[in-house]
Amino acid sequence: GQQLNQSPQSMFIQEGEDVSMNCTSSSIFNTWLWYKQDPGEGPVLLIALYKAGELTSNGRLTAQFGITRKDSFLNISASIPSDVGIYFCAGHPIKGGNQFYFGTGTSLTVIP
Amino acid sequence: NAGVTQTPKFQVLKTGQSMTLQCAQDMNHEYMSWYRQDPGMGLRLIHYSVGAGITDQGEVPNGYNVSRSTTEDFPLRLLSAAPSQTSVYFCASSWGLAGVAEQFFGPGTRLTVL
Repeated sequence: GQQLNQSPQSMFIQEGEDVSMNCTSSSIFNTWLWYKQDPGEGPVLLIALYKAGELTSNGRLTAQFGITRKDSFLNISASIPSDVGIYFCAGHPIKGGNQFYFGTGTSLTVIP
Repeated sequence: NAGVTQTPKFQVLKTGQSMTLQCAQDMNHEYMSWYRQDPGMGLRLIHYSVGAGITDQGEVPNGYNVSRSTTEDFPLRLLSAAPSQTSVYFCASSWGLAGVAEQFFGPGTRLTVL
């Protein structure tokens, strides 16, 4: 199957700091999604990206669709305790049929 | 509007037992899918459906069956449970095909096979 490498695996940051994470694929994607998962819950969509170079914001979150179409980035500014959770990237390869592929997740801990 | 619902929330099975995980959505979405989530791994697609009567395999289909008799429901069947199927199972739905539509996830079913 498709390999999505997500980094870092985990982050421990102080409240108020900015956070950056990224996701890379071995092939070209036409859609990138970023999800957040709280403990005991299903993933919730944060941002969807559909064009190379696209930069989209959702409050303090900003995500970008890499121009190579093989990567995507998520930034969180001025982190707060409720940002704690696992962040997943997901993508649809150009020749991927009806399937999305998911990264392994970035676990974020915010220290008050 | 309940979104995507899954039952049960938790389940413990013995090796060899069978069971059905239920999934329903009330958003009139055509596309539904089942994923499993294991520690340290991303979600992996088990089976998906692009509409009533149409199903197909994902990355890890072995040991699982699905059917789609209505737009709303997409049950996942384990015919003979194995410890390797211990996982958290998520159902998802979207209005269109992967790549053009965002998926909405249910709360998950946590399955343990002893």
